[in-house]
Amino acid sequence: NAGVMQNPRHLVRRRGQEARLRCSPMKGHSHVYWYRQLPEEGLKFMVYLQKENIIDESGMPKERFSAEFPKEGPSILRIQQVVRGDSAAYFCASSPKQGAGTDTQYFGPGTRLTVL
Amino acid sequence: DAKTTQPTSMDCAEGRAANLPCNHSTISGNEYVYWYRQIHSQGPQYIIHGLKNNETNEMASLIITEDRKSSTLILPHATLRDTAVYYCIVRNDYKLSFGAGTTVTVRA
Repeated sequence: NAGVMQNPRHLVRRRGQEARLRCSPMKGHSHVYWYRQLPEEGLKFMVYLQKENIIDESGMPKERFSAEFPKEGPSILRIQQVVRGDSAAYFCASSPKQGAGTDTQYFGPGTRLTVL
Repeated sequence: DAKTTQPTSMDCAEGRAANLPCNHSTISGNEYVYWYRQIHSQGPQYIIHGLKNNETNEMASLIITEDRKSSTLILPHATLRDTAVYYCIVRNDYKLSFGAGTTVTVRA
C-alpha cells in the first residue's frame, strides 16, 4: 500500500511566481491535511479538506494561499505571488476518516519550497 | 488541545532502551496521546497512540500513567536510525499541534 505521495519534492520559485504543490493521499483515505514547517520550527496546521470540500482553513493565510481536493486527482496547495517568507517545507497528511482522536494521520515526504 | 512538555534533548546508547517522557497535566478525558517522529526533515512518522491503557506495537511501547498526566514512549532497542526529533501530541480533533519535541541522538 503506497504511502502519501507529494510532488514535487523540491520547488524553486522567484518572488511573484506561483507555486503548486500536489498531494496524493494513501489509498482509501478521503481526508487530507496540509501543514507548513518554517525553518527551525514545528509543523503548523494549515487546512483540512475532504473530497470537494474545505472543512477548515483556519491555519492558512487569508491572501495568496488556496487549497483544493477535487473529486478526481490529487489535492493541490496553491501559493500565488510567492514571497521569501513562504520558503518552508509543506507536508500533506491523510486519514481514512475524521474522528475525535483515533483517526491517525499519515504524512508524506513533503515539498521544500525555496523562494529566491 | 492540552499542552505537552518534553525534554529538549537526550542521548541514548545503541542497543539500549530509550525512554522518552512527556508531561500533559491538563489533558482532558477525551484527548489521546500521540507520538510522531521526524528524521532529518523528512515527513513526520506516526509511532503510536493511546487513551488510557498502555499500548505496544512493532515500533514502540507507550506507558500512560493512571492519572493520564504524563506518559513515556519506550523504544526497546534503539538503533542509529532512531535518531530523530520525537513529538508528543495531545489531541481531540484533527489538528495536530507540534511543539519543539525531544531531539534524540542514538550513539554507537
